[in-house]
Parts: sequence; structure tokens; C-alpha cells
Amino acid sequence: KQEVTQIPAALSVPEGENLVLNCSFTDSAIYNLQWFRQDPGKGLTSLLLIQSSQREQTSGRLNASLDKSSGRSTLYIAASQPGDSATYLCALRVDYKLSFGAGTTVTVRA
Amino acid sequence: GAVVSQHPSWVICKSGTSVKIECRSLDFQATTMFWYRQFPKQSLMLMATSNEGSKATYEQGVEKDKFLINHASLTLSTLTVTSAHPEDSSFYICSARGRGYNQPQHFGDGTRLSIL
Repeated sequence: KQEVTQIPAALSVPEGENLVLNCSFTDSAIYNLQWFRQDPGKGLTSLLLIQSSQREQTSGRLNASLDKSSGRSTLYIAASQPGDSATYLCALRVDYKLSFGAGTTVTVRA
Repeated sequence: GAVVSQHPSWVICKSGTSVKIECRSLDFQATTMFWYRQFPKQSLMLMATSNEGSKATYEQGVEKDKFLINHASLTLSTLTVTSAHPEDSSFYICSARGRGYNQPQHFGDGTRLSIL
């Protein structure tokens, strides 16, 4: 069974600082990996999707890397803003299912 | 982009009643829909997967008689929590995926269910 771990569980940084969020997984036989953002009481917004054959994806201030051999993915958010405050979830697709981590809750202080 | 609408967003009801949650894909055909449950500060747990016109496949430990799932059309799936009790209070999120194995899942905004 795929185990997905996100550390730290919570993170507080001053505005402008770069964010580094980690995701580790136990089974490298994945189809793809996705990073989501979840605001309090809301659903999930997809941020980046990395296919199994890719090493990274970038969108604006966001960059996600994937290292299947070590079972790790990292989400980088450059020059954080208060609007980046949210919970960030990573999810791995194996077959047709997604396995989620518990998330990292980020607070960006103005 | 693909939009999934979930309704209602919040429901409060008395113990013993049944509650229906709707999940609609607004601009694409959802051949597969997924229902998740999320407890505070925990990850999403897959409850069941449904394909249009077929019976839902439930994950281990999920009571199929308690959580009734219907996926009658390519744009609508419903989750009915039958005889709800306080322990069923949670955040329920649906997602939908279009035709094709490599299609991503698109998520609804979730339903906060509170059973008194």
C-alpha cells in the first residue's frame, strides 16, 4: 500500500521568503504525482502535475520536482505572498487511484 | 477548464436522517467519479469509485449500505449518507475524471456534513 508523508505538517514564514515543501512516498511505481492547494473548508485546486517520466514541472512561482528512485517530491514556491497561505497536498496516482499525504499548512506573514 | 460542482456546500441535520450530496461535471463527461472523506488536519481518504452505469467500488472498511453511491449519467453522481449519525460528520469531496486513462481528476468544493 502506498504511504505518502508530508513534512512539516505546518510552516510559518515571513512574506518574500521561499517555501520548500516535501513529500515522500514508499512505492515508486507511480503513474504521476500531483500537488494541490486546499483553502480552509474548500475543495482542491490542482497546482502542478508531474508525469512518471518527468523530473520537474514549473508554473509561475511554483516548481515541483520528482525523484522516484528516492521516493521524494519537492514543491518550491518562490517569493511567498500572504495569498499563498493554504494547505498543500501531494497525491500520487497508482493505477486509477490517488493516494494523498496529510498536507503541509503554510502561513505567510505579512 | 474542467469544472466540478458539488452541492450542498454545508448541511446540518438531525441524527437518523439521510443526506444526499450531488456531484456534477459541468463541461465534460465524467466517466469515473470518486468520493473522498476528509477529517480535520488529515488527508483525503478514498471511499468509493464509480463508473457511469455501473455499481460503485467501495474501499475496504467503507459500508456500502451506509454510503449509497449512484452514477446514473456522465455528468452526475450522488452520495447518500443513510441514517446519519454524529460520527458521520465530516468533509466529503467528490472528483471526476473524463474519458481516457491519463485524464486528471477534477475536484468539487466539498460538502461539510454536520450531524447533531
